[in-house]
Amino acid sequence: GEDVEQSLFLSVREGDSSVINCTYTDSSSTYLYWYKQEPGAGLQLLTYIFSNMDMKQDQRLTVLLNKKDKHLSLRIADTQTGDSAIYFCAERETGGGADGLTFGKGTHLIIQP
Amino acid sequence: EPEVTQTPSHQVTQMGQEVILRCVPISNHLYFYWYRQILGQKVEFLVSFYNNEISEKSEIFDDQFSVERPDGSNFTLKIRSTKLEDSAMYFCASGGEVVNEKLFFGSGTQLSVL
Repeated sequence: GEDVEQSLFLSVREGDSSVINCTYTDSSSTYLYWYKQEPGAGLQLLTYIFSNMDMKQDQRLTVLLNKKDKHLSLRIADTQTGDSAIYFCAERETGGGADGLTFGKGTHLIIQP
Repeated sequence: EPEVTQTPSHQVTQMGQEVILRCVPISNHLYFYWYRQILGQKVEFLVSFYNNEISEKSEIFDDQFSVERPDGSNFTLKIRSTKLEDSAMYFCASGGEVVNEKLFFGSGTQLSVL
């Protein structure tokens, strides 16, 4: 079955860039997502990328997709204390709507002052 | 910005009891989902719902689970006879429009089965 892997922790200094990495196994993944979960809160959709794209930028967020290596990354520029959260990578096989997302375990982003 | 709302935020129940978790999806959305996250584990897909019927379900979604859209606005997950291992955060999500690439999640209901 599909699998999504992420490292569990990432520690960065405030003001530096954070790069959170994710690998997935399903070669038919169509959409790849990054969700953010703050303590006690739900999953907030940060950004997503369609599989025919290599890169997507949205303000401080840059998503890079290497489809050959099945590798997805999320770069957060100028990391702030408010970026402290768990970041989940997720993939979906189709855009048809019915099928569910497959999530990674999440990466805890820790910001050092 | 429209959001998915879930009630209650916390639910405590005794093993063997029935629980109903409630969700109000975003109003013009067509696809509805339930996911769960057991503490320390991955967020797992349970079921998707479209056009008043189940579209897909995972192995977790066995006969003790059911979903319903009773009144055109609410979307519920019923667990008929709860087990200790049903303790988890349950997330509702909805997606809409023609190509459903975005899923929006609620804040979750923390279910504790004692």
